[in-house]
Amino acid sequence: AQSVTQPDIHITVSEGASLELRCNYSYGATPYLFWYVQSPGQGLQLLLKYFSGDTLVQGIKGFEAEFKRSQSSFNLRKPSVHWSDAAEYFCAVGANDKIIFGKGTRLHILP
Amino acid sequence: DADVTQTPRNRITKTGKRIMLECSQTKGHDRMYWYRQDPGLGLRLIYYSFDVKDINKGEISDGYSVSRQAQAKFSLSLESAIPNQTALYFCATSMTLGLGTDTQYFGPGTRLTVL
Repeated sequence: AQSVTQPDIHITVSEGASLELRCNYSYGATPYLFWYVQSPGQGLQLLLKYFSGDTLVQGIKGFEAEFKRSQSSFNLRKPSVHWSDAAEYFCAVGANDKIIFGKGTRLHILP
Repeated sequence: DADVTQTPRNRITKTGKRIMLECSQTKGHDRMYWYRQDPGLGLRLIYYSFDVKDINKGEISDGYSVSRQAQAKFSLSLESAIPNQTALYFCATSMTLGLGTDTQYFGPGTRLTVL
């Protein structure tokens, strides 16, 4: 069965520091992969997606993610975080008719 | 105007009451979804619909029902609400993409509290 694992429930980084959020998936075929962000009190907003082609995907707000088939991973990165990046981040895999979400990683930013 | 709207945004109700949450979209998408979000559990799919005549159960459909009144409208009902249905509920829409699923666009959510 398809699944998505986000190993880190919470991550804290200092403003200006680099960020990497981990995501591992389980899916038999070539996956469609997504990262969404949920700011406090808001719905989910798409950051980026991977369907095929270049394995390094650029998204909004300065985020990028790299698809590594050999590691079944799709980690999200940002070179320098801003206080406004504090939010919850969800990795997801498109599995046939549905999207399956991970349980999320909450990002805290230290001033 | 928002592409995906949900009403109400907040609702407090009592155990045993019937509740309907409504979702409307102006994106022209065929596919619509209902999720619930609980702390630490991420989003779990309740029901999804590929068109007006196609309704499918998700992973946690017990205690819920849905109605796809039109391409643009997808309602979620709790026939007899219970406290463990207290959660944040999201509606989402997407286009069809071959055999896969394209990006989902989310509404702002409905916070439901069942006392």
